Amino acid sequence: DVQLLESGGGLVQPGGSLRLSCAASGFSFSTYGMIWVRQAPGKGLEWVSGISGSAGTTYYADSVKGRFTISRDNSKKTLFLQMSSLRAEDTAIYYCAKRSGDYWGQGTLVTVSS
Amino acid sequence: DIVMTQTPLSSPVTLGQPASISCMSSQSLVHSDGNTYLSWLQQRPGQPPRLLIYKISNRFSGIPDRFSGSGAGTDFTLKISRVEAEDVGVYYCMQTTQFPYTFGQGTKLEIK
Repeated sequence: DVQLLESGGGLVQPGGSLRLSCAASGFSFSTYGMIWVRQAPGKGLEWVSGISGSAGTTYYADSVKGRFTISRDNSKKTLFLQMSSLRAEDTAIYYCAKRSGDYWGQGTLVTVSS
Repeated sequence: DIVMTQTPLSSPVTLGQPASISCMSSQSLVHSDGNTYLSWLQQRPGQPPRLLIYKISNRFSGIPDRFSGSGAGTDFTLKISRVEAEDVGVYYCMQTTQFPYTFGQGTKLEIK
């Protein structure tokens, strides 16, 4: 079975940094592009970032460009999202998913607050 | 960016009755490879999103056949032939034709 398990969320102060991880299993990880999507409390879904299977190409939403970095370690079947200069508006549940949107993790909550 | 607009934003439905959700994109979702990457997701309360329909009309594995998708170009529809209690939640259309990927605002399906 395909499984995606996010970790690394938590409470961080404005201006701080956090690194999210997404451990994948049950499929050929390096073959597939991956994405991060977030959902602020009580709000809809917002695409954050994407990366190709080889990690050769990355994409970012304007709202996070220059502050967030997506990466992956195909040998460890793990996707990452390095978040810096965090703002209150980055508070959300962060989901990792396969690029096609067919499989999603359970999400990890990031709270940016002083 | 491609803007995805869903209607209605709220849909009270009687159990056993049909439901329909529309999604319109601000530009064609036809990819250069000829496919149209329009998906429908369901998010039950307290759960992550799950894929229902991909490429307009293809039901994902394990999705009941009461769910169906149709449309082309910029206009798409999700239909539930007979709503069941487990269908309560928020439904999103999502385009993965081009980055940045974008979602509709979500349609809340509730039982009357």
